[in-house]
Amino acid sequence: DADVTQTPRNRITKTGKRIMLECSQTKGHDRMYWYRQDPGLGLQLIYYSFDVKDINKGEISDGYSVSRQAQAKFSLSLESAIPNQTALYFCATSDQRGANTGELFFGEGSRLTVL
Amino acid sequence: SQQGEEDPQALSIQEGENATMNCSYKTSINNLQWYRQNSGRGLVHLILIRSNEREKHSGRLRVTLDTSKKSSSLLITASRAADTASYFCAASSISGYSTLTFGKGTMLLVSP
Repeated sequence: DADVTQTPRNRITKTGKRIMLECSQTKGHDRMYWYRQDPGLGLQLIYYSFDVKDINKGEISDGYSVSRQAQAKFSLSLESAIPNQTALYFCATSDQRGANTGELFFGEGSRLTVL
Repeated sequence: SQQGEEDPQALSIQEGENATMNCSYKTSINNLQWYRQNSGRGLVHLILIRSNEREKHSGRLRVTLDTSKKSSSLLITASRAADTASYFCAASSISGYSTLTFGKGTMLLVSP
């Protein structure tokens, strides 16, 4: 089984629908992240969480919300999906302590298409 | 805003040749990391170089870091068809929140 699991792997939805992407990890890491990948734009940080009580906005948080239900679970919601949110979404975890950021461990991605 | 910017955007070589990818970043960093992504898959960490290091090796990978020029390079020696993937640099800034900022990536194609 994968250490970082994302569900669903693929989703097609319509404009205005609420969508939740879920991420669970078995690595025991405190830090979890949601990134968005668009072709030719690399990865952009949406939200991140350093522990269950800590949620922070990233570069492109508008239109998204998150919930850290437990150390192992971090979900990303699109309250009212729009077509320009069509992208590949990645969850990642990190075990780094302190100020530095160490190695990230990524899930396999959730491909979202908004029609 | 992108912290890391890779160059070239795409690189096509033959098996056995070396592949060099470059990354430039904007602010002072704690470390710089390189990741690999096979098409449509999750990213996989390759190597991390700290700001006080100038060169690091891991198998066929060699990474250099020049903090005065705010640049890094990834060299893959004796490339194989299986090295075909996108490669991303990611910078951990010394200021602000402790997260990674990724570049746009270099797409490497290694032909048999």
